[in-house]
Amino acid sequence: GAVVSQHPSWVICKSGTSVKIECRSLDFQATTMFWYRQFPKQSLMLMATSNEGSKATYEQGVEKDKFLINHASLTLSTLTVTSAHPEDSSFYICSARDLAGVGSRFFGPGTRLTVL
Amino acid sequence: DAKTTQPNSMESNEEEPVHLPCNHSTISGTDYIHWYRQLPSQGPEYVIHGLTSNVNNRMASLAIAEDRKSSTLILHRATLRDAAVYYCILKLGGSQGNLIFGKGTKLSVKP
Repeated sequence: GAVVSQHPSWVICKSGTSVKIECRSLDFQATTMFWYRQFPKQSLMLMATSNEGSKATYEQGVEKDKFLINHASLTLSTLTVTSAHPEDSSFYICSARDLAGVGSRFFGPGTRLTVL
Repeated sequence: DAKTTQPNSMESNEEEPVHLPCNHSTISGTDYIHWYRQLPSQGPEYVIHGLTSNVNNRMASLAIAEDRKSSTLILHRATLRDAAVYYCILKLGGSQGNLIFGKGTKLSVKP
């Protein structure tokens, strides 16, 4: 099946710094990528939807200036957590939909962010 | 998005079949029923999806009620590697709609 990778798989940073997470579709072109956040023992929460070459669409309650999303190519989307704080510590997961737009989505392995 | 209801947790014995139920009484005619699972510290993994007819693939079977208000994911022989949280999600067909995750069912498999 289609493969989605994320980098890094885990990151620890100091409060106030910015962290960039990459999401790549390895064997298909993704017109749309989705970013989720998952706190411990909770379900995934959709943060935003990004389409290649256009601005991301953020879910209600998600600060677009804090979570910067760039989808510059059909195989790469990045999420930058700006001025991270301990409450931003979470498991960030991306998902991609291929050009064919089939119903199933492919998920990355996730990035564990810990902000000290 | 239409809501789904699943039991919080279920237990199974290894090598026995597992039936994971999902209620979706407000499903609309254009909603597909998707199942994903998430192993600990990993991203979700697609399991199966269907619209009206029962579906089978190498991972599982999906049984959909005639009125489509409920469905059941069937793992024919549970293994220890099947221990995960299973999510039942309704989504518009094709490229439309987002995958909105509920709480899912945490499946434990005992050796």
